[in-house]
Amino acid sequence: RKEVEQDPGPFNVPEGATVAFNCTYSNSASQSFFWYRQDCRKEPKLLMSVYSSGNEDGRFTAQLNRASQYISLLIRDSKLSDSATYLCVVNEVGTDKLIFGTGTRLQVFP
Amino acid sequence: GAVVSQHPSWVICKSGTSVKIECRSLDFQATTMFWYRQFPKQSLMLMATSNEGSKATYEQGVEKDKFLINHASLTLSTLTVTSAHPEDSSFYICSAKDRVSWVTGELFFGEGSRLTVL
Repeated sequence: RKEVEQDPGPFNVPEGATVAFNCTYSNSASQSFFWYRQDCRKEPKLLMSVYSSGNEDGRFTAQLNRASQYISLLIRDSKLSDSATYLCVVNEVGTDKLIFGTGTRLQVFP
Repeated sequence: GAVVSQHPSWVICKSGTSVKIECRSLDFQATTMFWYRQFPKQSLMLMATSNEGSKATYEQGVEKDKFLINHASLTLSTLTVTSAHPEDSSFYICSAKDRVSWVTGELFFGEGSRLTVL
């Protein structure tokens, strides 16, 4: 089983739609969780950290479910500029390393 | 956030040659930098952790003699791909943490270097 698993997509949604991605992780002791965004042929950039109580940043909401070992990202009112690959990232327990999922590709169309 | 700069962005080389990629932290000191590699449609894979003033720590399966890492100052780490072959063609990205992100866990990435070995 991969340490971090994501549905690769692509998710094709119209502008204004709400879309959600899930990600599962294998190590129940993981403590830090993030969503990064990566545009085509570019470096990843932090979208948001994921906190235990869930957190929201504008149109983006992240949730953590420790019991089921998954995190989610909800994007409301999708914009064309949201088109990118969204990477689920989890810390490797006991180290400073981050483990990246393969990413979920989102394509927002007009 | 912190700024990490990587150079070159693109490099094409012949098989058997060596290529050096530089990673600089522009507005902070980075005692530790991380080198990742990403093949098309795959996730970022950590290759090695670069430590200023000491030897790099390589991940399992990464040849230390092939991927030479030097972290001679607090703002510069270099990755040299020695005797490059076509299978080394990939997107190489460095990253670092600043003082705040050692607490938050966020990684700041360089722009990446796309290597094509002919």
